[in-house]
Amino acid sequence: QQQVKQSPQSLIVQKGGISIINCAYENTAFDYFPWYQQFPGKGPALLIAIRPDVSEKKEGRFTISFNKSAKQFSLHIMDSQPGDSATYFCAATRGGTASKLTFGTGTRLQVTL
Amino acid sequence: NAGVTQTPKFQVLKTGQSMTLQCAQDMNHEYMSWYRQDPGMGLRLIHYSVGAGITDQGEVPNGYNVSRSTTEDFPLRLLSAAPSQTSVYFCASRPAGGRTDTQYFGPGTRLTVL
Repeated sequence: QQQVKQSPQSLIVQKGGISIINCAYENTAFDYFPWYQQFPGKGPALLIAIRPDVSEKKEGRFTISFNKSAKQFSLHIMDSQPGDSATYFCAATRGGTASKLTFGTGTRLQVTL
Repeated sequence: NAGVTQTPKFQVLKTGQSMTLQCAQDMNHEYMSWYRQDPGMGLRLIHYSVGAGITDQGEVPNGYNVSRSTTEDFPLRLLSAAPSQTSVYFCASRPAGGRTDTQYFGPGTRLTVL
């Protein structure tokens, strides 16, 4: 059972456009929602994260929007650049569960010129 | 700091062979984990540890063993490799406590079981 559902599976965006990746979760005990970015041949790296006490978090061109009642959260990449081309994973975890991250299935983003 | 290091980077095994994937971190992190990454399935937790001498199972532990004798090292053992264990394996670590749950991932080991 996939506890964190991610869409779309792949995404092509033109340079300068907005990339949007969506995730939905089932476990209401989750209280930390990070996004990881992975380049080919590399390990995932934390991009941005949010806790459910806020509805939005912005870091540079990257924004997480969080809807607690709908159990959904999304990543928005503004002014997408070719260097943003990577695979993005949403994840969720419950406080106190050490390192037990539950990941979405990933979105492969390609930003074209 | 080297961060999280993994060896080997690539490995090919035959069915039934055993091997150990090595993971080390130099950040004095208490928590360490092993994930496997398969196409279309994201990353799935195999085993994790909250400190030396303490390990527990994750989502997909079957076929894998772990031990944690030191804070720095967290090896993953495949006792009898199967083709279903063909995957990319990532080790991760993070400090205990704090408001963030940021995990730091190693570069991965790509394993093929024939």
